[in-house]
Amino acid sequence: DADVTQTPRNRITKTGKRIMLECSQTKGHDRMYWYRQDPGLGLRLIYYSFDVKDINKGEISDGYSVSRQAQAKFSLSLESAIPNQTALYFCATSDRAPGTGVPDTQYFGPGTRLTVL
Amino acid sequence: DAKTTQPNSMESNEEEPVHLPCNHSTISGTDYIHWYRQLPSQGPEYVIHGLTSNVNNRMASLAIAEDRKSSTLILHRATLRDAAVYYCILSVSNNDMRFGAGTRLTVKP
Repeated sequence: DADVTQTPRNRITKTGKRIMLECSQTKGHDRMYWYRQDPGLGLRLIYYSFDVKDINKGEISDGYSVSRQAQAKFSLSLESAIPNQTALYFCATSDRAPGTGVPDTQYFGPGTRLTVL
Repeated sequence: DAKTTQPNSMESNEEEPVHLPCNHSTISGTDYIHWYRQLPSQGPEYVIHGLTSNVNNRMASLAIAEDRKSSTLILHRATLRDAAVYYCILSVSNNDMRFGAGTRLTVKP
């Protein structure tokens, strides 16, 4: 079974609808992230959470919200979807790396392809 | 923010070594150099990272210039499965990993 799962894998919706993308992990990691990827571009960070009570905005948080329901679950919501939110969305997890200043290794899910019409 | 520059695309023959370059002339002293890759229809996966010294692991080697303004990811023997987009990223912490467009590697049989 995959360590990081995302549901749904594909979703088509209409402008103005509320959408929730879900991410679950079995790696036991405290840290979770949501990214979006636009065609031909790299990933941009939307939100991240370093533990259940910690939520932080990333580079492009406008139009999105998140909920960290448990250590293993991190959901991304689009309150009122718009066409320019059409993209591939990735969830990732990481564990705290040993040592001060040492970056964690991130583990990514398979992605959710969202189309907003 | 420190940025990276990578070629848009590269080609390699199967079973030959591949050297993927990355320029990061504005790197700061605390920035780590990461490489991730994204196989078709998958999420990115970690390849390797380093700070100052060259690094080796089972997937690849990372050669870092002495002035740290550039680095090279080395795949010692490319396989068809190594065809992917390779991202060179600088970061101090995980909330500051900026993925650029990367290098699309094509491996020819």
